[in-house]
Amino acid sequence: DAGVIQSPRHEVTEMGQEVTLRCKPISGHDYLFWYRQTMMRGLELLIYFNNNVPIDDSGMPEDRFSAKMPNASFSTLKIQPSEPRDSAVYFCASSLYGGGVGTEAFFGQGTRLTVV
Amino acid sequence: AQSVTQPDIHITVSEGASLELRCNYSYGATPYLFWYVQSPGQGLQLLLKYFSGDTLVQGIKGFEAEFKRSQSSFNLRKPSVHWSDAAEYFCAVGFYNQGGKLIFGQGTELSVKP
Repeated sequence: DAGVIQSPRHEVTEMGQEVTLRCKPISGHDYLFWYRQTMMRGLELLIYFNNNVPIDDSGMPEDRFSAKMPNASFSTLKIQPSEPRDSAVYFCASSLYGGGVGTEAFFGQGTRLTVV
Repeated sequence: AQSVTQPDIHITVSEGASLELRCNYSYGATPYLFWYVQSPGQGLQLLLKYFSGDTLVQGIKGFEAEFKRSQSSFNLRKPSVHWSDAAEYFCAVGFYNQGGKLIFGQGTELSVKP
């Protein structure tokens, strides 16, 4: 398997524009996570899905952020409108839950977003 | 609330010297514990994990970590550091029945001097 695939790797956009980040999880995995990494806040969980259903979106910073998982092989994180403070590296991760045992998450390479 | 603390923001060690990176967690139940490494511009790579059993776990690249329940710690060690180990290291705690959801520490940046 190619691992978790994120696109684009880099995105530069102007303030106010809509930004869509994409993620393809590892085939067969049933959990998908979106994290954001910034210097100030470190790595923080934004939202996660189980079997394509959002389970916890309490980490989504505000209504400008939305995430979808229309099927088991694709997820998007959308920011509309974007602001300079959204500049960060966004990571997608996926895992296969083992049913009562610890589960390892596999991370994509990340999308570096710069909002100017 | 669950949390992970990595007390050292930045550590510098000489090549060949031993390394210990500290990690303390706060969690009401038995945690699942992880160490990840991030090289500049890269994603996160799993070094090792603790789910249960032997409290000393071995990982990739010669790293090991020891789970100490009494101290709520999961420190990462390596007996001899190589220049290629320079990177940022993250400790994380996972949760029962929540897939691979993780709470991360702030990270420790490791520099290696020749």
